[in-house]
Amino acid sequence: AQSVTQLDSHVSVSEGTPVLLRCNYSSSYSPSLFWYVQHPNKGLQLLLKYTSAATLVKGINGFEAEFKKSETSFHLTKPSAHMSDAAEYFCVVTGGGYQKVTFGTGTKLQVIP
Amino acid sequence: DAGVIQSPRHEVTEMGQEVTLRCKPISGHNSLFWYRQTMMRGLELLIYFNNNVPIDDSGMPEDRFSAKMPNASFSTLKIQPSEPRDSAVYFCASSSSQETQYFGPGTRLLVL
Repeated sequence: AQSVTQLDSHVSVSEGTPVLLRCNYSSSYSPSLFWYVQHPNKGLQLLLKYTSAATLVKGINGFEAEFKKSETSFHLTKPSAHMSDAAEYFCVVTGGGYQKVTFGTGTKLQVIP
Repeated sequence: DAGVIQSPRHEVTEMGQEVTLRCKPISGHNSLFWYRQTMMRGLELLIYFNNNVPIDDSGMPEDRFSAKMPNASFSTLKIQPSEPRDSAVYFCASSSSQETQYFGPGTRLLVL
């Protein structure tokens, strides 16, 4: 069994300040973990993924995430928010036979000018 | 590669009508996923196929929904009869084994 919990449904930051979007997971397998971004009225785009290589994963647009097995977390961070980062972010875990996919409920990021 | 292709991009229909959504996955990908997204329920996995075989359809809401994948390059999601509560954006995604899902642009469905 596996699950994903995104701890905040909404996060608001000022432009130029750090971003932290939190994600906790549980999995009976050795999971792969992903972050996707969805801009308004758009499809989902991959930001980054962890697949058991380096625990600190760098993605597009300056985002990165750290896989912490002891904490079962995969939080998404960015040092300095940009207005274009305003979007909804989804944490995803896959694993097990047939790569069962579980999406988190999403975190809406608001960036204040 | 053209990416995942979905058609139509927008569909407006009347309650009771049949709706068919289409998806062409990325060539070489062996898994295909159908999702539904609404404001109320967020993103929901409806069904996914592996090598054209339905693996998990537990997310399909009810018998009015059906999905097929007759070959590796085409899938359909059918709603018959449609109801206003089916209004949503429907996404198709594909992936190769144990890899990233690539999402199509979605079909925005409005059932009046």
